Formats: sequence, structure tokens, C-alpha cells
Amino acid sequence: NAGVTQTPKFQVLKTGQSMTLQCAQDMNHNSMYWYRQDPGMGLRLIYYSASEGTTDKGEVPNGYNVSRLNKREFSLRLESAAPSQTSVYFCASSFHNRESYGYTFGSGTRLTVV
Amino acid sequence: AQTVTQSQPEMSVQEAETVTLSCTYDTSENNYYLFWYKQPPSRQMILVIRQEAYKQQNATENRFSVNFQKAAKSFSLKISDSQLGDTAMYFCAFMKPTNTGANSKLTFGKGITLSVRP
Repeated sequence: NAGVTQTPKFQVLKTGQSMTLQCAQDMNHNSMYWYRQDPGMGLRLIYYSASEGTTDKGEVPNGYNVSRLNKREFSLRLESAAPSQTSVYFCASSFHNRESYGYTFGSGTRLTVV
Repeated sequence: AQTVTQSQPEMSVQEAETVTLSCTYDTSENNYYLFWYKQPPSRQMILVIRQEAYKQQNATENRFSVNFQKAAKSFSLKISDSQLGDTAMYFCAFMKPTNTGANSKLTFGKGITLSVRP
């Protein structure tokens, strides 16, 4: 199983350019998330999707948009990239029921905005 | 809102020795989960251990164990017989499960960089 797949793994953008980070999971999880990781800050939630068709803001949503295209895919878009968005971005998915729960992360995308 | 605090930015330990990483959290919830994640230089987030708040027994996974003090809101990770491969950043995280099972967001601490010396 591939788990959570993020593309691309690395990207360099110029200030003002736009791009979309792609994320797909093959575990039939309902919930998906986008986090960013900055030095000394841990991982912070940008947006999440509790289920297909719904999205909500997390802790640091400014400058981003998301789309839950279907149950498998959850994309993150930067409309006009800024140097402050230089970060490592992680996509994750999760399930939770009475018996168990699980959280799976992608391998991350290192984005540099110059 | 929940907060997770890891006050030590860096720690170092000699190979084969034991090290304890500290984590405190703040919440008004009674039912929640706590996690330790390892992030090696490969950047992958690897689950080390998890603890359900309703369980009094501390979780153990091979060389990794936790000291969960619910009243004190403390969740420390003990690594026994440290190995060079344990060198990584470690994150403490909090999760409040929802009634529906969806939307189980993780709240992370800032992380601690652990170096294991040969």
C-alpha cells in the first residue's frame, strides 16, 4: 500500500507565483489534513477535511486554499506565494472508530519561495 | 484550545544509555490521546508510541515507554538502551477524538532534537 502520497517532494517558487500541492491516500480514510512545519514551531494545521465535501480552517489558513476533490484526494493551493510560506508541508489522513484509530503522514513537500 | 509544550529544544545521550524527553499539555478534556512521533532526517513522521487518557497503565513499545501523569498533564518519553538510529527530532502531540470519529486533529509541540553519541 502506498499510504499517503504527496507531490511534488521539492519545489522552488518565485514570490507571487501560484502552485498546488497534491495529496492522495489509498486507505479509505475519511479525514485529511494539511500541516506546515517550520523550525522551532512544530507542525501547525493549515486546513482539514473531516469528510468528503467538507473543509475547514486550521490554525494558520491565511494565504492558502484547499479542495477535497474526492475521498482520496486533498489538494493545497497557494494563489500568490510569499517568502513566509517557505516551509515543509505535510499531508495526513486519519480514521477513528470505537475499536481503533490511526493517523498516516505523507513524506512531505519542501517548498522554498524566493 | 489545547496546547502542547516541549520546553527542551535539544538533548544529547550516550549510546546505550537512557534518556527522557519531557512534554506537558493543557486541556479541559477528559478523553483524549497522546502521541510521540519521531522525525529522522528523512523527514518522515513515524509514530513511536501512543497513550489513551482513559488508560492508567503507561504504554510501552520495546525500548520506548511513557510516563503519563494525567493530573499533572505530563507525558514524558523514556528511551532505553539508546541507539544511533534514535537520533531524530521528537514531537509530542495531542488529539481529542470526536463523537463521529472524523476530524481528529493533532496538536503538536515544537519538538526536541535528540542526538545519540557513539
